[in-house]
Amino acid sequence: EAGVTQFPSHSVIEKGQTVTLRCDPISGHDNLYWYRRVMGKEIKFLLHFVKESKQDESGMPNNRFLAERTGGTYSTLKVQPAELEDSGVYFCASSPGPVPYEQYFGPGTRLTVT
Amino acid sequence: AQSVAQPEDQVNVAEGNPLTVKCTYSVSGNPYLFWYVQYPNRGLQFLLKYITGDNLVKGSYGFEAEFNKSQTSFHLKKPSALVSDSALYFCAVRAHNAGNNRKLIWGLGTSLAVNP
Repeated sequence: EAGVTQFPSHSVIEKGQTVTLRCDPISGHDNLYWYRRVMGKEIKFLLHFVKESKQDESGMPNNRFLAERTGGTYSTLKVQPAELEDSGVYFCASSPGPVPYEQYFGPGTRLTVT
Repeated sequence: AQSVAQPEDQVNVAEGNPLTVKCTYSVSGNPYLFWYVQYPNRGLQFLLKYITGDNLVKGSYGFEAEFNKSQTSFHLKKPSALVSDSALYFCAVRAHNAGNNRKLIWGLGTSLAVNP
């Protein structure tokens, strides 16, 4: 069974540019989560999809962040325009159900905004 | 408000010795508790979880954790550490009855170094 994949693994962009991160969950997993970890800080929840619907987007920092999951399969997270404080590692996770199902994480995308 | 504390940034232990990685939490009501591990350049991997029932939970790679309601703790343990256990460990919590606040709350992580 293929795991959760994320693309790209690394991205370095300048302040003001746009970046789109992609996550492919495990096939059949309706629940998809985005998280961010800034160096040395806790993992912070960004949002939760159930199929193509946003179940909870309370963790999205501001309207520069836009997440989509068209067709309920892969998801994208766009940051536009990027700011310095957006730097960090963005993790995607999927699960067959909501908490307390365990979540399966991708390797993350390390975003650096200069 | 829900919160998780991992009081140790780093834990060092000799190979073959028992290890403990500490986690305390704060939620209203009963908790769901999780431990995940992150190896270098990898995503987080699930180790074990507590939902209800037996306070001692056994998980992957020989790890176990004990839920202690009175001390609001969920410490991760292993009887005999391996060098390959060296990684970053995260504790996470969510209340059973979280209402509209259903996301997992994560600790800062504890770096475990097992020395040969």
